[in-house]
Amino acid sequence: GEDVEQSLFLSVREGDSSVINCTYTDSSSTYLYWYKQEPGAGLQLLTYIFSNMDMKQDQRLTVLLNKKDKHLSLRIADTQTGDSAIYFCAEQSGGSYIPTFGRGTSLIVHP
Amino acid sequence: EPEVTQTPSHQVTQMGQEVILRCVPISNHLYFYWYRQILGQKVEFLVSFYNNEISEKSEIFDDQFSVERPDGSNFTLKIRSTKLEDSAMYFCASSSDSQQETQYFGPGTRLLVL
Repeated sequence: GEDVEQSLFLSVREGDSSVINCTYTDSSSTYLYWYKQEPGAGLQLLTYIFSNMDMKQDQRLTVLLNKKDKHLSLRIADTQTGDSAIYFCAEQSGGSYIPTFGRGTSLIVHP
Repeated sequence: EPEVTQTPSHQVTQMGQEVILRCVPISNHLYFYWYRQILGQKVEFLVSFYNNEISEKSEIFDDQFSVERPDGSNFTLKIRSTKLEDSAMYFCASSSDSQQETQYFGPGTRLLVL
């Protein structure tokens, strides 16, 4: 079945850029998502990209998609302590409306 | 901004007991979902619900689970006889009038089965 993989932890210094990476296996993916989960909160949709795009920028967030390598990344510029959270990558194929999630990457931002 | 809400935020129960997890989806949404996340593991799909019936379910969603929309606002997940391995965070989500529309998640209910 489909699989989504991401590293479990990322630690960055405040003000630096963070890059969270994700790989997926489903070649028919049409939507790819990044969700953020703060402590005690639900999954908040941060951004998404259609599979026919290779980049999307939204303020401090840049999503890059390499469809050939099935690699998705989320770059957060000027990372702040408020960005500390778990970031989930998810993919959704055209045949299903159910996203497949990765395990989540814990982003730790230290001063 | 409208949001999905869930109650309770935490629930502790004894093995074998029934639990009902409650969700209030976004008011104009028509598709409703339950997911769970066992600690340290991936978010897993349980079931989707549309037009007062289950539209899709995963192999996790066995006979111990049921869902209901008892009125125009609530969407519930019932676990009839809880097992230790049901301990997880349960997320409700909803989406609008298309299955391809983005799903909006609630804050989750953390269920602990002792």
